[in-house]
Amino acid sequence: GAVVSQHPSRVICKSGTSVKIECRSLDFQATTMFWYRQFPKKSLMLMATSNEGSKATYEQGVEKDKFLINHASLTLSTLTVTSAHPEDSSFYICSASAGLDYGYTFGSGTRLTVV
Amino acid sequence: AQSVTQPDIHITVSEGASLELRCNYSYGATPYLFWYVQSPGQGLQLLLKYFSGDTLVQGIKGFEAEFKRSQSSFNLRKPSVHWSDAAEYFCAVVPDNYGQNFVFGPGTRLSVLP
Repeated sequence: GAVVSQHPSRVICKSGTSVKIECRSLDFQATTMFWYRQFPKKSLMLMATSNEGSKATYEQGVEKDKFLINHASLTLSTLTVTSAHPEDSSFYICSASAGLDYGYTFGSGTRLTVV
Repeated sequence: AQSVTQPDIHITVSEGASLELRCNYSYGATPYLFWYVQSPGQGLQLLLKYFSGDTLVQGIKGFEAEFKRSQSSFNLRKPSVHWSDAAEYFCAVVPDNYGQNFVFGPGTRLSVLP
């Protein structure tokens, strides 16, 4: 139980286009999901907290107009990188919790490359 | 400042040797503590977690960790390392009320020699 599916696993896009990444909790409901960004050989940095039915909470320094987060249902959160540029290339990971006993489950990540 | 530290950036051990990865946190109260492993290009897999109770926690893949309140530490151990254990290991903390986000340590990269 407590599986989080993230899609796509890899995406290459042209500079200036937008990319949508999906994060789904497959066997549980998640009122809160988290989006992280990981730079090469670095730890995970929290970008934003996605709240079902309300606006996401962004960490300081994260552009909310560039990284659009939508949490329309209890099992789906999406991160859209708008007008992507090469510096947005990174590994993006989402996570959700099914409750105390399960801890937090992470998606498998999305490798975004902007060319 | 509140933080999670992993003093060792990179550790190399021989296959079959024992392993200890260090993790320290600086929070006033005892947070929830986790260890995750990440293989290259992959997401994170939970190895074990500590919320309360027995301070020695058993996890998957033969890993264990011991919570020491006096040292604010949660070190990960394995008695005999396998080549497949080579990966990046992250200690993580949920600082207060459950439901808040993680604070990750910087990670320790483990290399295993044949």
